[in-house]
Amino acid sequence: AQKVTQAQTEISVVEKEDVTLDCVYETRDTTYYLFWYKQPPSGELVFLIRRNSFDEQNEISGRYSWNFQKSTSSFNFTITASQVVDSAVYFCALRRDFGNEKLTFGTGTRLTIIP
Amino acid sequence: EPEVTQTPSHQVTQMGQEVILRCVPISNHLYFYWYRQILGQKVEFLVSFYNNEISEKSEIFDDQFSVERPDGSNFTLKIRSTKLEDSAMYFCASSTSLGVGELFFGEGSRLTVL
Repeated sequence: AQKVTQAQTEISVVEKEDVTLDCVYETRDTTYYLFWYKQPPSGELVFLIRRNSFDEQNEISGRYSWNFQKSTSSFNFTITASQVVDSAVYFCALRRDFGNEKLTFGTGTRLTIIP
Repeated sequence: EPEVTQTPSHQVTQMGQEVILRCVPISNHLYFYWYRQILGQKVEFLVSFYNNEISEKSEIFDDQFSVERPDGSNFTLKIRSTKLEDSAMYFCASSTSLGVGELFFGEGSRLTVL
């Protein structure tokens, strides 16, 4: 069974601070994919990143970075120099390594950036 | 940039009424999905669809739900007799057949059952 846990329900930080969103997953598969999606107040789900279980290199994209540690089954997301536009609900998700497998989402972390 | 489009954006219906939510997936995608999100809660899988048939469905997707791809572009979710607890945001998603790619989500259809 697949499971994704996002223990942080809500986080508030002051603008320009760094913030890390935690994601822990469970799977019996040896190969799988991990994702982060952003859900802004407008409600849509915006894809941020996909990571293959074989690739443990950390990734940086502008102010966003992701730390994947297979040993601890974690895929954490850090926003540096946070901005008000980063305020959203962030979902971590897991997908098995098959063509049309579903995404299993975590419960999400609501991030509020205080100006 | 290609996108998944959903209609209507918001629908209000009376309990017991039938509702059809429509989706136009990205044109070269072959895998289609419906998810729902009850207000303030997680995004839950409903059903996946490939090659004109259901690939997988969750416990939520009972006999009141059905999906259809009536033509080459639309992908619909029908709820036969809506219940109060069907009130949620319904997301359509699609993905390609090339490896395990990301799912591209539509902007959602908010269903309110009174």
